Formats: sequence, structure tokens, C-alpha cells
Amino acid sequence: AQSVTQLDSQVPVFEEAPVELRCNYSSSVSVYLFWYVQYPNQGLQLLLKYLSGSTLVKGINGFEAEFNKSQTSFHLRKPSVHISDTAEYFCAVSDRGKGYSTLTFGKGTMLLVSP
Amino acid sequence: SQTIHQWPATLVQPVGSPLSLECTVEGTSNPNLYWYRQAAGRGLQLLFYSVGIGQISSEVPQNLSASRPQDRQFILSSKKLLLSDSGFYLCAWRITGPNTQYFGPGTRLTVL
Repeated sequence: AQSVTQLDSQVPVFEEAPVELRCNYSSSVSVYLFWYVQYPNQGLQLLLKYLSGSTLVKGINGFEAEFNKSQTSFHLRKPSVHISDTAEYFCAVSDRGKGYSTLTFGKGTMLLVSP
Repeated sequence: SQTIHQWPATLVQPVGSPLSLECTVEGTSNPNLYWYRQAAGRGLQLLFYSVGIGQISSEVPQNLSASRPQDRQFILSSKKLLLSDSGFYLCAWRITGPNTQYFGPGTRLTVL
């Protein structure tokens, strides 16, 4: 079984400041890693994913994440945030070995960007 | 391109009433389909998934059920709703190969 811990339930930042949203996971098997974003009353939108290869993954809207196997982390970063980045962000993992690929999500981090 | 639809968008139901939420996917064949529930402060919980017509796997025992009558249709049902069934219900799909799930717009269910 896998688990995902998002260490911060809320992260307030000022516009144009850098931000890091933290994600740690626990798994006895190799995993795929994902970050999704959810705007109010909407579904989840895929930001980026790590399947294999380079541990630094670039996604949409200027976000990137780095997979660190030794620390079992997949932190999300953006060098300069905008007001429009205000949303909830979810980290998720899935088991590489399972064909039907169920996702285990963290509880989410609310990013609050203020002017 | 693929699109996923959910309806209704919002629903207010009394305790003990039945429920039917529908999800359909366009532009793909034989997708894996998933139902998740998002309750306040509890993140996303996988409820059911399906790898094909008539094939349903349940992740959490509860008073909900799911059915897949057609390849691209996934239905979430209940005979009698509980207060604890309130939440935001999300449908997702995935095709074999790329290991990524794509989500629908969701249904906000309030049970009173």
C-alpha cells in the first residue's frame, strides 16, 4: 500500500515570490508520481508527472517538480507565482506494477497568492 | 481529443433518497474508469474503478454502488443516501499505456 503526505495544508505567498509545495510518499514498490491542481468547484487538472527518466519534471503554468528517490519526495516548485495560481494542489502516486493504475492522493495544499 | 462529462453538476437530496450520477467519456475506447469522492478536509478517496464493461472493483465498503453498462459510461448509485455521502464526486478515465488519469468537472452532492 502507498501513502502520500503533503506537509502543508495551506501556503500563503505574495505575488511574484517563489513557492515550494512539499510532498513525501511511502511505498514498498516503485511508483509513478503526479501533481494535480484544482480550482474552486472544478475537477482536477494534471500539472505534471514523473514516469521515468530525468528526475526534474516540467509541467504547465511554469511549475516543475523534482523526484528524489532517497528522500521519497516529489516537491512542486514555481519561481514566481501569480494571483491566478491560487488553487488547491494534490500530489498523487500510483503503483508501477498495476495495470489499472489507481491513484493515492495526499490531502492537498491550498496555495494562497496575495498581491 | 478526449472529453469527459459528468452530470448533474450539483445536486441536493434528502437523506434516504436514491442517487444516480453519470459519467461519460468521448474520443477514446475501452478506458479505465474511476469514481472518487472528495469530502471536506479528507482529500480524494477512490470509490470504484472499472477496467471494462460490467467489471467493477470497489475500494471502500459503503452504501454506494457503481455500474458500467456501456464502454464509455460509468454510473454511481445509491438506494438510500446518508448525510455522510455529501461531497464532491469526481469521475476519471485512463487508457492503457500512458499512466495518467484525467478528471471530469465533478458533481457537488449535498445530502440534507
